[in-house]
Amino acid sequence: DIVMTQSPDSLAVSLGERATINCKSSQSVLYSSNNKNYLAWYQQKPGQPPKLLIHWASTRESGVPDRFSGSGSGTDFTLTITSPQAEDVAVYYCHQYYNTPRTFGQGTKVEIK
Amino acid sequence: EVQLVESGGGLVQPGGSLRLSCAASGFTFSSYWMSWVRQAPGKGLEWVANIKEDGNEIYYVDSVKGRFTISRDNAKNSLYLQMNSLRAEDTAVYYCATGWAAFLNWGQGTLVTVSS
Repeated sequence: DIVMTQSPDSLAVSLGERATINCKSSQSVLYSSNNKNYLAWYQQKPGQPPKLLIHWASTRESGVPDRFSGSGSGTDFTLTITSPQAEDVAVYYCHQYYNTPRTFGQGTKVEIK
Repeated sequence: EVQLVESGGGLVQPGGSLRLSCAASGFTFSSYWMSWVRQAPGKGLEWVANIKEDGNEIYYVDSVKGRFTISRDNAKNSLYLQMNSLRAEDTAVYYCATGWAAFLNWGQGTLVTVSS
């Protein structure tokens, strides 16, 4: 199984300060035949289901604000929230769909100072 | 508008069974892989199982193999999860979600509590 490890577990940022969440996979999720990273990021607010933010490591889902961006390749990935807003308080998860079983990171809780 | 509505959760004793349903609307259900993902109270997300559009490919996480069965009825736009031999550690909100790759659409979830 591919183990996804996120860091940090929690993050408190000031409004407007950049937030960076890291995700490391225990093996590469880059599929060489198409050069795509099989990695997604989700946002989950309390009492709600997860919401897809980013897929293929860096493709923002339709309607997601451009302050959210994804980067990285192979085994190391980053979700960046530039200038976080109050509504971005949530838990963020990375997810690999390179193989089965699909696996998620343990989550990173983002709070506003 | 895509809608996924789970039902069938509740309180069950250890060793008992439950059948979850997910009613889909707003998209061509028969054209999508579907998954069940669960979340224990206060914990992270765990993928449980998925099923191909025609039902001919099915995969499970090891912890539920032999106990859970995923199925679908494309004529009824419905996804199911038959859960047998339930354990306390199966206590979670169960979500259905669309897609083989990233999960674009999610239901609101149904809570399964396994307790005596």
